[in-house]
Amino acid sequence: QQQVKQSPQSLIVQKGGISIINCAYENTAFDYFPWYQQFPGKGPALLIAIRPDVSEKKEGRFTISFNKSAKQFSLHIMDSQPGDSATYFCAASMGSNDYKLSFGAGTTVTVRA
Amino acid sequence: DAGVTQSPTHLIKTRGQHVTLRCSPISGHKSVSWYQQVLGQGPQFIFQYYEKEERGRGNFPDRFSARQFPNYSSELNVNALLLGDSALYLCASSSRGDTQYFGPGTRLTVL
Repeated sequence: QQQVKQSPQSLIVQKGGISIINCAYENTAFDYFPWYQQFPGKGPALLIAIRPDVSEKKEGRFTISFNKSAKQFSLHIMDSQPGDSATYFCAASMGSNDYKLSFGAGTTVTVRA
Repeated sequence: DAGVTQSPTHLIKTRGQHVTLRCSPISGHKSVSWYQQVLGQGPQFIFQYYEKEERGRGNFPDRFSARQFPNYSSELNVNALLLGDSALYLCASSSRGDTQYFGPGTRLTVL
């Protein structure tokens, strides 16, 4: 039973375009939502994370939007670059009570030059 | 500062064998978690240790076990290997548990 559902499975975007990845969750006890970037043969690297007390968080070209009532959150990659081509995973955990990360299935992003 | 380190990088075993994977967390981090990532899927939680005590266990058979040492390093043991155990095994380090930093992983191939 996958606790975090991620879409799309893959996407192709032109250089300079916007990549949007969506995630949805059911467990309202989740209170920490990180995004990870993974290149082939490497471990996931923490990209950006958000907690439910804010609706948006921006770090450079990466923005997380969070909708608590809809139990959805998304990653926007602005001005996408070929170096952003990777697999992106959303995840969720219950923070101080249970740090286990539940991951989405991943989205493979390809940025065309 | 050194990140999370894992050894070995790659490993090939045959069915029925036993394997031990090792992880050293970021200096100062007391929590280590283990995840299994099958090709094309997201990581799946196996264990979490904090201050040498098991804090969580995922839905994996008893063939999987782990421990954390006084220096906070950790090892994951898998007995009676099956073909389906072939995966990238990831170790994640955190200071208190929530923000987790992953190592490069150990690629295990079971033949």
